Amino acid sequence: GAVVSQHPSWVICKSGTSVKIECRSLDFQATTMFWYRQFPKQSLMLMATSNEGSKATYEQGVEKDKFLINHASLTLSTLTVTSAHPEDSSFYICSARESSWTGELFFGEGSRLTVL
Amino acid sequence: EDKVVQSPLSLVVHEGDTVTLNCSYEVTNFRSLLWYKQEKKAPTFLFMLTSSGIEKKSGRLSSILDKKELFSILNITATQTGDSAIYLCAVFSGTYKYIFGTGTRLKVLA
Repeated sequence: GAVVSQHPSWVICKSGTSVKIECRSLDFQATTMFWYRQFPKQSLMLMATSNEGSKATYEQGVEKDKFLINHASLTLSTLTVTSAHPEDSSFYICSARESSWTGELFFGEGSRLTVL
Repeated sequence: EDKVVQSPLSLVVHEGDTVTLNCSYEVTNFRSLLWYKQEKKAPTFLFMLTSSGIEKKSGRLSSILDKKELFSILNITATQTGDSAIYLCAVFSGTYKYIFGTGTRLKVLA
């Protein structure tokens, strides 16, 4: 299957700093990427849908100024958690879809963010 | 509102048992249903189902979709401790979103 690479796999930062997470599709072009957040023992919560060359579409309740998403190319999307606070600590997972109507979705390895 | 419901929420079995995980859905313009296995990190892809009644099989795992009754099942036969994980069901809808269920947490005891 297709490969999606996500970095960093884990990051610890101080409160008030910003953290950038990268998501790359390695062997296919991803017109659409999705960013999820997962709390312990819970399912994936969609944060936003990122389309190449356009603004991301955020889900209700997700602060777009806090979670900046950029999808500048067909193989790269980034999520920046701005002015991070301890409550932003979570597991963030990106995923990408090849351009097909059925939509097989491939996940990155995930990034565990801990804000001190 | 689109939703995906999985049952049971959790399950504990012994090695060698067979388990059936359920996923029911109500979505606008169904396109496909996907099953994933999640261990410690991100989910890994198991199956994608688009047509009713056609079983997909991979080793001890199999899955089938019923588009009339709006559900899918994932079967695991002769379970092993390595099957312990969260199994996620997701539906890709006409709104081009993936709606995930809450997952079924499976624990296989030796």
